[in-house]
Amino acid sequence: DQQVKQNSPSLSVQEGRISILNCDYTNSMFDYFLWYKKYPAEGPTFLISISSIKDKNEDGRFTVFLNKSAKHLSLHIVPSQPGDSAVYFCAASANNQGGKLIFGQGTELSVKP
Amino acid sequence: NAGVTQTPKFQVLKTGQSMTLQCAQDMNHNSMYWYRQDPGMGLRLIYYSASEGTTDKGEVPNGYNVSRLNKREFSLRLESAAPSQTSVYFCASSEFRLANQPQHFGDGTRLSIL
Repeated sequence: DQQVKQNSPSLSVQEGRISILNCDYTNSMFDYFLWYKKYPAEGPTFLISISSIKDKNEDGRFTVFLNKSAKHLSLHIVPSQPGDSAVYFCAASANNQGGKLIFGQGTELSVKP
Repeated sequence: NAGVTQTPKFQVLKTGQSMTLQCAQDMNHNSMYWYRQDPGMGLRLIYYSASEGTTDKGEVPNGYNVSRLNKREFSLRLESAAPSQTSVYFCASSEFRLANQPQHFGDGTRLSIL
């Protein structure tokens, strides 16, 4: 049973436009949601997170939106840049599960010049 | 600023061989983790260590053992490698094992088992 799902394996966007990456979850006990970015041959790096008590968190070009009723979150990148091309993982964690991260399958973003 | 260091970066094993993957962090973090990444599966937790001296099973622990050697080092051992354990292995650390603590990852070990 996949508790965190990223249903789009890949996304292609033109430079300067908005990239929207989506993530769905099934466990209503998750307290935090995190996005990680991964380049080839490197480990994932933390990008941005959001607490379950909020519906939006912004950090520069990156904004994460959380819709708890729909159990859905999204990562918006505006404007997209070629250097944003990477695999993006959505992850969720719950304090009552010791903060273990549950990852989605990842979405490969390609930003074309 | 090394962060999380994993060795080796690549390894090829034959079925039945044993191997230990090494991980060290220099951020004085309390918690450490081992994940495996397979195509289309995201990262799955194998084992974790909430603090020095403790280890616990994650989502996919079968076929693996771990040792938290000290606060800095957390190793993963395959006693008898199987082709199903071909994967990319990532070690990670966080200051504490809390939901709001981002984990810092190493660059991975690519392991192929023939």
